Amino acid sequence: ELKVEQNPLFLSMQEGKNYTIYCNYSTTSDRLYWYRQDPGKSLESLFVLLSNGAVKQEGRLMASLDTKARLSTLHITAAVHDLSATYFCAVGPFWGSEKLVFGKGTKLTVNP
Amino acid sequence: ETGVTQTPRHLVMGMTNKKSLKCEQHLGHNAMYWYKQSAKKPLELMFVYSLEERVENNSVPSRFSPECPNSSHLFLHLHTLQPEDSALYLCASSRTGRGDTQYFGPGTRLTVL
Repeated sequence: ELKVEQNPLFLSMQEGKNYTIYCNYSTTSDRLYWYRQDPGKSLESLFVLLSNGAVKQEGRLMASLDTKARLSTLHITAAVHDLSATYFCAVGPFWGSEKLVFGKGTKLTVNP
Repeated sequence: ETGVTQTPRHLVMGMTNKKSLKCEQHLGHNAMYWYKQSAKKPLELMFVYSLEERVENNSVPSRFSPECPNSSHLFLHLHTLQPEDSALYLCASSRTGRGDTQYFGPGTRLTVL
């Protein structure tokens, strides 16, 4: 059974600090996705990582993928309050299935 | 309207009621999805439709019945639900379904009494 594990599940950090969220998965996959969800709102696509060594950056967020280690990281640089949200990674699809398997999410709170 | 819209945004129903959730995508996509998001559990895929054909059903109880009349609309018909079915139900769409980025609607918050 495919497992996608994120850690930490809860992260409280101060503005201006750096931190990394980790996403481990148990089965080889074509793609890895990062999504953001604000409270009471839907999921917003942040990044799609397609190959080993892929790195994508948008503002203060940078995502990377190591397919050999089955690990993706979401690095936050100089956090600001607006980044407070829940971040999900998802893996898939797989042969014969359209399914994406999501992690439980990391709830990030950035404090002034 | 742009993107993916869902109605209603909130729904409270009794266990004997029948209701339907509606999703509409304005992106010209060919694949649509229903997900369930419960507290403290990962997002769970329920159904996938590609070009109006159901291509995946992830062991969902029969009290949930999807319908996709065309590539822009997706419904989830609900009947005799249980309190544990209370959750946020999210609709998503993607261009072709094979790994394309999925775009999510705002969700319907369902409470079953």
